[in-house]
Amino acid sequence: RKEVEQDPGPFNVPEGATVAFNCTYSNSASQSFFWYRQDCRKEPKLLMSVYSSGNEDGRFTAQLNRASQYISLLIRDSKLSDSATYLCVVNNNNDMRFGAGTRLTVKP
Amino acid sequence: ETGVTQSPTHLIKTRGQQVTLRCSSQSGHNTVSWYQQALGQGPQFIFQYYREEENGRGNFPPRFSGLQFPNYSSELNVNALELDDSALYLCASSLGGRDTQYFGPGTRLTVL
Repeated sequence: RKEVEQDPGPFNVPEGATVAFNCTYSNSASQSFFWYRQDCRKEPKLLMSVYSSGNEDGRFTAQLNRASQYISLLIRDSKLSDSATYLCVVNNNNDMRFGAGTRLTVKP
Repeated sequence: ETGVTQSPTHLIKTRGQQVTLRCSSQSGHNTVSWYQQALGQGPQFIFQYYREEENGRGNFPPRFSGLQFPNYSSELNVNALELDDSALYLCASSLGGRDTQYFGPGTRLTVL
């Protein structure tokens, strides 16, 4: 079993749609959690950190469920510019583990 | 832009050769982490350096080595290159090992 598993994707959605990504992790001692986005042939860029209380940044909402070892990302009112690969990241003692990523394509 | 720079941007080597990749961290950051990203995969953690000391290592063989300098810039060295070492090598800097990491643009290594 992979340490961080994500929805396989790809997700192809129309503009304005709401899309949700899920991620599970195997190490219950993991300490911090993030979502990064990665555009084609570019480096990953931090989208948002994920907190147990849930957090929102504009159209993006992240949730963490430590009991179920589950992280989610919700994107509302999708834009063409949201097309990218979304990486779930789990950190345990300075060891950042990335999921394989979920590819999102938003179409006109 | 994150302020993290890497050199070179692209590199072509042949099997058995050695390569050195370089990373300059963001101003004020004392930690550098290195990752290997194969096509279609997420980044895989190689190791992390904090204040010039190795501070964690992933499942990579000893021919992957590194160091960090007093100015917190870092090098990744790979000996005896194999075809499977072809990948995008990313470095990320942070203030401490558990803090948010900011990535450089990467070095794309091709081993022929």
